[in-house]
Parts: sequence; C-alpha cells; structure tokens
Amino acid sequence: DAGVIQSPRHEVTEMGQEVTLRCKPISGHNSLFWYRQTMMRGLELLIYFNNNVPIDDSGMPEDRFSAKMPNASFSTLKIQPSEPRDSAVYFCASRYRDEQYFGPGTRLTVT
Amino acid sequence: GEDVEQSLFLSVREGDSSVINCTYTDSSSTYLYWYKQEPGAGLQLLTYIFSNMDMKQDQRLTVLLNKKDKHLSLRIADTQTGDSAIYFCAESTRGSQGNLIFGKGTKLSVKP
Repeated sequence: DAGVIQSPRHEVTEMGQEVTLRCKPISGHNSLFWYRQTMMRGLELLIYFNNNVPIDDSGMPEDRFSAKMPNASFSTLKIQPSEPRDSAVYFCASRYRDEQYFGPGTRLTVT
Repeated sequence: GEDVEQSLFLSVREGDSSVINCTYTDSSSTYLYWYKQEPGAGLQLLTYIFSNMDMKQDQRLTVLLNKKDKHLSLRIADTQTGDSAIYFCAESTRGSQGNLIFGKGTKLSVKP
C-alpha cells in the first residue's frame, strides 16, 4: 500500500486566497483525521471522521476552515480566506482498528 | 481532562541507550503509542501497548508501562545517529472513539 497520500506537499499562497488540501487515506481504513502542527502549539487535532461522517470538529479554529469526506477514499480541508497565522504543516491520518498512520503532510505558507 | 506530558529534549551518545519518558492523566487510557517524526516528514508509528500490559519489546525498542503512576517510557538500545528525531507519546481513551491525545514531543539528539 502507498500509505496515506496528501497533496500538495507544499503550498504558498497570499493572504485572502482559498486553499484546499487533499488526502487519500489507506484503503480499508474507516477513520480519517486532520491535524495541524506548528512550533508554538505542537500537534493539534482539527477534525476527524468515522465512516465518512464528521465526529468531532471542535478543533477547527474558525469558520474559515471546513472539511469534507465525500467518500471513503478522499477528504479535503479548505481554508477560505487564508491568513498568515494559518501557516503550518497540515497532516492527514487514517486509522484501522488501533493503528493510526500519518501522511507526509502539506506545508502551507500564507504570505 | 486528558493531558500527555513529555520532556522536550534528550541528548545521548551513539551506542548508548536512550530512555524517553511520558506521563498521562487519563486512567481510562486503552492504548498508548510512540511515534517518531524525522525532519520534514510525517509521524511514523513505532509501537504501541495495550493498557493491561506492562512491557512490550520490539527489536531495539522496549516500552514500559506503569499504569499506577500513569508513566510510559520508550527505551532505544544501541542508539544510532539515524534515531535522531522527535518522539511523540500518545494515548487513546475509551471515550475518545479512537482519537489520540499527543504529547508535545521529545527531541532526541544522538552525538557520534
């Protein structure tokens, strides 16, 4: 298996632009997680899905953030409009039973 | 509430053993995990232990769990320069539906 796939790996955008991050979980995994990692705050859970249904989005910082999982093999995290403080590495992870696997991350820079 | 604490830094010499420690607060933790993150990469699942176990060994890695003190440790035998990375401890609790609570990570530096 190729593991969790994220795209793009790097994104540089200007403040106010819309940003869409994409994730393909490992086939057969029934849970998907979006995290954000910064030096200041460490690793933060933004939202997670079980069987494509959002379970807990309490970590989503603001209404500018939204996430969807239209099917078992694809999820998006959208930021609209983006701000410089959104600059971070965004990780997607998928889980089967008790094992959670991370993707390589998307490094987002908002100027 | 749930919280996972780790020391931020550890420095060892190549060939020595490394011991990375972690404490957690939720006594209902079911599984406890260790992840490794190398620069510019995602988190790699190293090993995990079920809360009714007190030890698990996997090649150079040994996990010790003291449930009474809510203390978890990861011992790396014969530490190599390739082990230099950030190590994250995480817990999964019954009430979390499988969500993991992560510590802030311990940066391990291995000196030749």
